[in-house]
Amino acid sequence: DGGITQSPKYLFRKEGQNVTLSCEQNLNHDAMYWYRQDPGQGLRLIYYSQIVNDFQKGDIAEGYSVSREKKESFPLTVTSAQKNPTAFYLCASSIRGGAEAFFGQGTRLTVV
Amino acid sequence: EDKVVQSPLSLVVHEGDTVTLNCSYEVTNFRSLLWYKQEKKAPTFLFMLTSSGIEKKSGRLSSILDKKELFSILNITATQTGDSAIYLCAVVGWGGADGLTFGKGTHLIIQP
Repeated sequence: DGGITQSPKYLFRKEGQNVTLSCEQNLNHDAMYWYRQDPGQGLRLIYYSQIVNDFQKGDIAEGYSVSREKKESFPLTVTSAQKNPTAFYLCASSIRGGAEAFFGQGTRLTVV
Repeated sequence: EDKVVQSPLSLVVHEGDTVTLNCSYEVTNFRSLLWYKQEKKAPTFLFMLTSSGIEKKSGRLSSILDKKELFSILNITATQTGDSAIYLCAVVGWGGADGLTFGKGTHLIIQP
C-alpha cells in the first residue's frame, strides 16, 4: 500500500546525543515536510524539501538537520543543539505544488 | 507571515450534541484551507476548501469557507464518542513551497 512510514514510533534520547528519525514514502511525492507537535501548539514546520538534494528551513529549524538524497527519504536529525527536543514529530508529503499533505504515524521523542 | 487561529482550543460536549469549530486565517495569495482530524497519531484529511460559500459535506461533518471574512467553520452533528479528537485547520497560499500553516487545533471531547 502507498503511504508514509516513520520509524521508530517511540525514541528515547539521552541529553547531548544526536538522534535520527526516519521518514520514507512510496507515493512518488516530490515534496516532503517535517513538523513538530507540542501540546497546545499545533504543528510547527521544521524543514521542507521540494526536490531531491534541496531543502529549506522552516519556522523552527534551529537544532535540527535534514538530508534529501533520495526522493523517497527525508530523515531528520535532532542534534544536541536542540534545547527542548521532547515532542511528537510528524513527517508529511505532497505532490509538488499540491495543497493536501499526507502524514506518517509520527515519532514520539523523549529526552531522558 | 501566514497565520491560523482556531477556537475554541478545547471543547467538551455530550454525545448527540452539535458542535461548531472555528478557524480564522491570514495568508498571502490564499489557495486552500484544509481540515484534518487527529486522533492518536497521524492527522487524517477531512476537507479542502477553495471557494467561498460552497459547503463540503461528509456524513455528519460539514465545512464552509468565507473568503471575504477569512474564516471557516467545521460542523459536526449528532456527535459520537468516536468524534473525540484534535481538529486541525491549515492554510496554504499559491506558491506555498513551504507547505501548510497550521492552527493550534481544537481538542474536542465527546462524553457518553
